[in-house]
Amino acid sequence: GAGVSQSPSNKVTEKGKDVELRCDPISGHTALYWYRQSLGQGLEFLIYFQGNSAPDKSGLPSDRFSAERTGGSVSTLTIQRTQQEDSAVYLCASRSQYEQFFGPGTRLTVL
Amino acid sequence: DAKTTQPTSMDCAEGRAANLPCNHSTISGNEYVYWYRQIHSQGPQYIIHGLKNNETNEMASLIITEDRKSSTLILPHATLRDTAVYYCIVRSVSGNTPIVFGKGTRLSVIA
Repeated sequence: GAGVSQSPSNKVTEKGKDVELRCDPISGHTALYWYRQSLGQGLEFLIYFQGNSAPDKSGLPSDRFSAERTGGSVSTLTIQRTQQEDSAVYLCASRSQYEQFFGPGTRLTVL
Repeated sequence: DAKTTQPTSMDCAEGRAANLPCNHSTISGNEYVYWYRQIHSQGPQYIIHGLKNNETNEMASLIITEDRKSSTLILPHATLRDTAVYYCIVRSVSGNTPIVFGKGTRLSVIA
């Protein structure tokens, strides 16, 4: 079956602009996670959604970052007024009982 | 989730077995050992997980010591495509909290 998909695969934007990153999780997975990975660094947790519960936003680095998950499926991560330090690969993952499946990521470059 | 300790890097000759160690001395009774890997420019990929018995799948084998304080991931016949960062993670299977990735072991398979 289809895995986790993300779009766009690459995004180049100018400092100060807003961006939206999309994640389509595996059908039926109730847990969805966003991470980011800066060049040469480990994965940094951002936010996760579990069913209809309030999302855990504890990893969001600033109030410029927000995410929503519509209908318990597709999720959108929004970064407002992007800064150069936001440049990273943004990874989405969804979870079955035992495994967490990652998407290919969106590479964001802020000029 | 319990903390894990892995070597920073390892080399392995192509065709030989790669044995990647992980220490998790504070693991608790309901926590599983998971292994993921991240090939350059890709999202992390699930490899295998286990509780206390040794496990094997099409990708690898997982050997867990009797006291569960350490484990070894074995890639029986490493290929160049196995070059990646390998992450050992300990977590409860029932929890949906985000995976916390450490720095992992950078495995280089050499021709």
